[in-house]
Amino acid sequence: GENVEQHPSTLSVQEGDSAVIKCTYSDSASNYFPWYKQELGKGPQLIIDIRSNVGEKKDQRIAVTLNKTAKHFSLHITETQPEDSAVYFCAASMGSARQLTFGSGTQLTVLP
Amino acid sequence: NAGVTQTPKFQVLKTGQSMTLQCAQDMNHNSMYWYRQDPGMGLRLIYYSASEGTTDKGEVPNGYNVSRLNKREFSLRLESAAPSQTSVYFCASGAGTGVGETQYFGPGTRLLVL
Repeated sequence: GENVEQHPSTLSVQEGDSAVIKCTYSDSASNYFPWYKQELGKGPQLIIDIRSNVGEKKDQRIAVTLNKTAKHFSLHITETQPEDSAVYFCAASMGSARQLTFGSGTQLTVLP
Repeated sequence: NAGVTQTPKFQVLKTGQSMTLQCAQDMNHNSMYWYRQDPGMGLRLIYYSASEGTTDKGEVPNGYNVSRLNKREFSLRLESAAPSQTSVYFCASGAGTGVGETQYFGPGTRLLVL
């Protein structure tokens, strides 16, 4: 089955700096890669996703890049704000499967 | 729209007791999912239902059963709770269109088994 590794497990940045979270996946058949943000005491919420036919996608301060050859994808958050502090999860799924395999999460702390 | 709702929010059980976690969605989604989340780990899929009337095992189904009661509701049952089932349980739903289906999560149920 698919295996998704996520790094780092914790990340602290100063407000206004950029944050980068990286994930690698094992199954080359995977073709859908969402990122979820989880605030304390809440369920995960989709913030951005990318499909295998696209190398990069941006949405305001958030961007995701995908390298299918190396089987890794990354989340980039620019101009970080205190409200960006949360746990971020990457995930992958393959083919028509609806099952998502999640990374172990990154606790992002934005210091004022 | 309430989205995905879960009950209860918190539950304490003794080893061997049974309980059912309830989940409902009002987005007319075909797919529904149950995940568990443990400290330091991502979410792991327990069971899912691609459409009303169908259910399939996920990564960690042992000790659980599910029922897709109708299109809106998907319940998770622990027949004989064990301390290893202490976790946060999340229900999710998706439009079921295949590749790239966005999953919407509920607020979670925190379960403690003593």
